[in-house]
Amino acid sequence: AQSVSQHNHHVILSEAASLELGCNYSYGGTVNLFWYVQYPGQHLQLLLKYFSGDPLVKGIKGFEAEFIKSKFSFNLRKPSVQWSDTAEYFCAVNAYSSASKIIFGSGTRLSIRP
Amino acid sequence: GAGVSQSPSNKVTEKGKDVELRCDPISGHTALYWYRQSLGQGLEFLIYFQGNSAPDKSGLPSDRFSAERTGGSVSTLTIQRTQQEDSAVYLCASSSTALAGETQYFGPGTRLLVL
Repeated sequence: AQSVSQHNHHVILSEAASLELGCNYSYGGTVNLFWYVQYPGQHLQLLLKYFSGDPLVKGIKGFEAEFIKSKFSFNLRKPSVQWSDTAEYFCAVNAYSSASKIIFGSGTRLSIRP
Repeated sequence: GAGVSQSPSNKVTEKGKDVELRCDPISGHTALYWYRQSLGQGLEFLIYFQGNSAPDKSGLPSDRFSAERTGGSVSTLTIQRTQQEDSAVYLCASSSTALAGETQYFGPGTRLLVL
């Protein structure tokens, strides 16, 4: 069975700091990987996803993530965060064998100090 | 419609009562998913429907939970004999197909409180 671990439950940064949120998954086969974001009071929405090809994926609002297959990781990064990045971030995995079923991690709450 | 809609947005019920939560997916989307988000927890997969195939019910926590999708569109999640631990936000999502890697589009959720 697939599972996703997000080790940081709550991250607090100042504006302009660099961000890296960890995500590790467990599944031996081919996967698709996602980061979803939930801004305060808004719906959960897709930030970026790895489907195939270049393991460095760029998403909206300057976010990127790198798929490292050997480490079963898909960490999210942003070089300089803004106050508006305050949100909850969820990593998720979809195994090719599971059609479109996604398993989510427990989420990381990001708080940005203005 | 523009996006996934869910109703009611909030539901307060007494322990032991049954509740029905509704999800209206994006028009034309063949796949529909239900998740539960408890305080401090991630999104817990409950069930998903893909077209006319049998649903994947592997995430339903007990036989008090059931869901149906009528006419390939609207879905209803039913919780019978609610318990306090059922209190959570129930999220619905849909995707255009059930192929691996599809982006899921989420609704605003139904916040359920069981007293």
